Amino acid sequence: AQKVTQAQTEISVVEKEDVTLDCVYETRDTTYYLFWYKQPPSGELVFLIRRNSFDEQNEISGRYSWNFQKSTSSFNFTITASQVVDSAVYFCALRTDGGATNKLIFGTGTLLAVQP
Amino acid sequence: ETGVTQTPRHLVMGMTNKKSLKCEQHLGHNAMYWYKQSAKKPLELMFVYSLEERVENNSVPSRFSPECPNSSHLFLHLHTLQPEDSALYLCASSQATGRSGGETQYFGPGTRLLVL
Repeated sequence: AQKVTQAQTEISVVEKEDVTLDCVYETRDTTYYLFWYKQPPSGELVFLIRRNSFDEQNEISGRYSWNFQKSTSSFNFTITASQVVDSAVYFCALRTDGGATNKLIFGTGTLLAVQP
Repeated sequence: ETGVTQTPRHLVMGMTNKKSLKCEQHLGHNAMYWYKQSAKKPLELMFVYSLEERVENNSVPSRFSPECPNSSHLFLHLHTLQPEDSALYLCASSQATGRSGGETQYFGPGTRLLVL
């Protein structure tokens, strides 16, 4: 079975704090892809990052960083020095290589509220 | 226009009405998707079109009828909906996938639907 778990339903931080959003996935496939999306109040899902299962290098993009660990089936997302504009729902998603429909399995999302 | 656009952004309809949601992508993709996002639930994939052929229908009730006239346009025709169909309907597009896998899906802003 394929599954994505985002155990943190809501997180509230004060501006400039660092925050880590957890994502744990389950799959038996050896080839798979992991994604993070941001959904601000406007509703659109904004693509942030894609990783494939063969690339465990961590990634940093400005204040965003991602920690991919196959040993714990986790793909965590850290925002450094958070800002009010980071307030949104963040979704982690999994896509395995088992079919032709590019089906994404989403977690339930983590609502991040950054207070000024 | 750039990216993925959806119209209308908001829609209120009665249970006996017929309406259509429209999605257009300007990314040169050839796969398109409809998702439903209800409160407190993970995103649900409804339909997938790849190269203008429907390749996935996730047990969606027949009151939802998709149409993909070309690779840039996707419609969702609605008729005799129920109040529980009230949700955010998101459209996405990507490159069509074979087993190369992992093509990133880009989302539109969604149509917020309220069924009275």
